[in-house]
Amino acid sequence: DAKTTQPPSMDCAEGRAANLPCNHSTISGNEYVYWYRQIHSQGPQYIIHGLKNNETNEMASLIITEDRKSSTLILPHATLRDTAVYYCIVRPAPSGNTPLVFGKGTRLSVIA
Amino acid sequence: NAGVTQTPKFRILKIGQSMTLQCTQDMNHNYMYWYRQDPGMGLKLIYYSVGAGITDKGEVPNGYNVSRSTTEDFPLRLELAAPSQTSVYFCASSYFPPGSSYNEQFFGPGTRLTVL
Repeated sequence: DAKTTQPPSMDCAEGRAANLPCNHSTISGNEYVYWYRQIHSQGPQYIIHGLKNNETNEMASLIITEDRKSSTLILPHATLRDTAVYYCIVRPAPSGNTPLVFGKGTRLSVIA
Repeated sequence: NAGVTQTPKFRILKIGQSMTLQCTQDMNHNYMYWYRQDPGMGLKLIYYSVGAGITDKGEVPNGYNVSRSTTEDFPLRLELAAPSQTSVYFCASSYFPPGSSYNEQFFGPGTRLTVL
């Protein structure tokens, strides 16, 4: 799997957009970008994933650069409940039975 | 649906003791996973299963055993507990295969294990 680089921590004011960056400069053409988050003491939760195009769902938007070497997860109106560790994961697909590999992620603190 | 449930929530073991961490899912998912998470670290895959009777090793399988006799249950066994196994253990399941382009995993609440 391609490796990812994320900042260890970020702060965001409540109600503002939270933009979480992820570098994956060695990504190859068939590798997807996944985002999960983990609220304190809970299991991780799937947020979104994409290949080339930008993606949006009820939780977040995923912006992938044209060269696919980096991406940004956007939480449009962060709330205190969005305080969590956010994991950016790159994986090939289809890839047999290779499961996801979680790194250390970015600890997002949403401040009132 | 209850989703993925894990028992117990907390456990303290003495070195050398054995225990089984239970995991059950009611979503009829074929694919199930066990992860451990050490303080301040990401998750590491211990074992996974692609269906009843089929299991495979992940990144850190040493010191653990699993079985998958039914679709719903995927217990994790620690035979001789060691302090290095102090961690939070998460079980997860997915509808699609682990290698598919859409691999949303559903996680349980975790079991916090301390080995003294």
